[in-house]
Amino acid sequence: DAGVTQSPTHLIKTRGQQVTLRCSPISGHKSVSWYQQVLGQGPQFIFQYYEKEERGRGNFPDRFSARQFPNYSSELNVNALLLGDSALYLCASSLVSGRYEQYFGPGTRLTVT
Amino acid sequence: KNEVEQSPQNLTAQEGEFITINCSYSVGISALHWLQQHPGGGIVSLFMLSSGKKKHGRLIATINIQEKHSSLHITASHPRDSAVYICAVDYNNNDMRFGAGTRLTVKP
Repeated sequence: DAGVTQSPTHLIKTRGQQVTLRCSPISGHKSVSWYQQVLGQGPQFIFQYYEKEERGRGNFPDRFSARQFPNYSSELNVNALLLGDSALYLCASSLVSGRYEQYFGPGTRLTVT
Repeated sequence: KNEVEQSPQNLTAQEGEFITINCSYSVGISALHWLQQHPGGGIVSLFMLSSGKKKHGRLIATINIQEKHSSLHITASHPRDSAVYICAVDYNNNDMRFGAGTRLTVKP
């Protein structure tokens, strides 16, 4: 079975641009979470979606938004990119929301110049 | 101050040594995770704990809910164990908070 997949693998954008990152969860998993990991730090929680509804939001500005589709895949959008948005963006899926083991994708490395 | 504190930040060991990584958190949680991250970014979930102790191969994880503390032990360490080990906690509002990670290097 395929694990969590993310696309693209790497991305280079310019300040002020917008970016969309994509995540496909493990088949049967209905919950998707997004995390930002800046180099040298632990990941930070951005969003969790379950059954197409936002179930949790971290301390990120409104420039960050996400959605989950009927097939449970998800997109993370970041508008008006800043240099500080350069990071590894990780997606994780789990069967349901709550205290369940999460399975992480390989991440999308975003570089903002 | 990070709500999830890990120690040590960096750890170098010789092959075969017993390793302990510690994690402390500040408020009540619903579960605690130990994760392994290799160079390049991929994260693997090692354990999810809400109480007691779990063992998988050479890895053992324990949690003390009253003391808000967890430990990850690696017995008979091997160079392939070299990675960053991250402690993360689940709060009841579906928020997940991560420690900064412990970088482990095991030398042959």
